[in-house]
Amino acid sequence: KNEVEQSPQNLTAQEGEFITINCSYSVGISALHWLQQHPGGGIVSLFMLSSGKKKHGRLIATINIQEKHSSLHITASHPRDSAVYICAVKNPGNYQLIWGAGTKLIIKP
Amino acid sequence: NAGVTQTPKFQVLKTGQSMTLQCAQDMNHEYMSWYRQDPGMGLRLIHYSVGAGITDQGEVPNGYNVSRSTTEDFPLRLLSAAPSQTSVYFCSTGSDTDTQYFGPGTRLTVL
Repeated sequence: KNEVEQSPQNLTAQEGEFITINCSYSVGISALHWLQQHPGGGIVSLFMLSSGKKKHGRLIATINIQEKHSSLHITASHPRDSAVYICAVKNPGNYQLIWGAGTKLIIKP
Repeated sequence: NAGVTQTPKFQVLKTGQSMTLQCAQDMNHEYMSWYRQDPGMGLRLIHYSVGAGITDQGEVPNGYNVSRSTTEDFPLRLLSAAPSQTSVYFCSTGSDTDTQYFGPGTRLTVL
């Protein structure tokens, strides 16, 4: 079993829909990262969370440390949100990240 | 402030050739790492460094060498390129309490 599991693997939605991507992990962590990768593009960090909730524009990330679960939400989704969204967790006292396999999101106009 | 730079952006090699992928950062981060990303797969850690003079192996280190003589630079050397090393390579930096920053990637093809 992978230490970081993302769901769903693939998600297709219509423009305007509310999107939720989930990340569950089985190890102790000091932080959780959400990143975005556009097709053929680079990797951009969206959020780093250690507790609670963060919001940036239409993106919201939450984390529940007790349940070892995080969600990334996109409100009023747009075709330009189409990308792979990756969850990664950091072990305490260790710089290395443990990566999820990613969720491929397609938003249709 | 350039962030993380990688060169070259694209490279084609013949089997057996050697080359160095360059990575530089101007954020004074201690931690730097190299990943490879194969089609349809997640990132896999090749080597990482927690500071100048300190490097260690990641998940897939075979066929690659690294060095960290300065905080800013973390080159990745392919000793004798193989078709299995065809991939996109990403360099990343970060600190213990900061976000992760990625370079734009190097797309390598080994024929």
